[in-house]
Amino acid sequence: DVKVTQSSRYLVKRTGEKVFLECVQDMDHENMFWYRQDPGLGLRLIYFSYDVKMKEKGDIPEGYSVSREKKERFSLILESASTNQTSMYLCASGTQWDRPSRNTDTQYFGPGTRLTVL
Amino acid sequence: QKEVEQNSGPLSVPEGAIASLNCTYSDRGSQSFFWYRQYSGKSPELIMFIYSNGDKEDGRFTAQLNKASQYVSLLIRDSQPSDSATYLCAVKRWNTGNQFYFGTGTSLTVIP
Repeated sequence: DVKVTQSSRYLVKRTGEKVFLECVQDMDHENMFWYRQDPGLGLRLIYFSYDVKMKEKGDIPEGYSVSREKKERFSLILESASTNQTSMYLCASGTQWDRPSRNTDTQYFGPGTRLTVL
Repeated sequence: QKEVEQNSGPLSVPEGAIASLNCTYSDRGSQSFFWYRQYSGKSPELIMFIYSNGDKEDGRFTAQLNKASQYVSLLIRDSQPSDSATYLCAVKRWNTGNQFYFGTGTSLTVIP
């Protein structure tokens, strides 16, 4: 089974702090993603990476950065946390694909980190 | 226009009934379609995917795809209280690499 783990289930930080959220997957997936999920807004893509040291901005990258130094690990960094970054953060991983197939063409999610910024 | 649209619900059905969840998408270049289930406080888990027009059945779940109408649906037969969750529709396009586009989800409650 695919396993995606995230460093914390719950996190409380203060405004202005630098926050690191870490995600690790054990399936040798090329692609990794960071989303935030808020009531009424659904899942919004922050950043994604399709290879080591590669990153692409998603829909809402402002206030965030990412790091992918190793294939299995994708970190989300909040440079200076603000209260409007209070949210559920979800990491996902998946393979590259050139045609649809059952076992490769999807995303698998980690358990999520509920971040509260005070 | 949103990439993927779903009715937010809530949708309530009695136990044993068929629950029908609907999703529309805006880009005709969309190629792959997914349904995720998300229990409250948990992360999404994949339950169905479909690539070709028509129906695809997996146990009590049937996904239906109509590319001409840009419409995908999920039917849950013999609904159980354990099916109560939010169902997310997701779409993938060939021309945006590996990015998924998610709907905001439909909340389903199965009443015992």
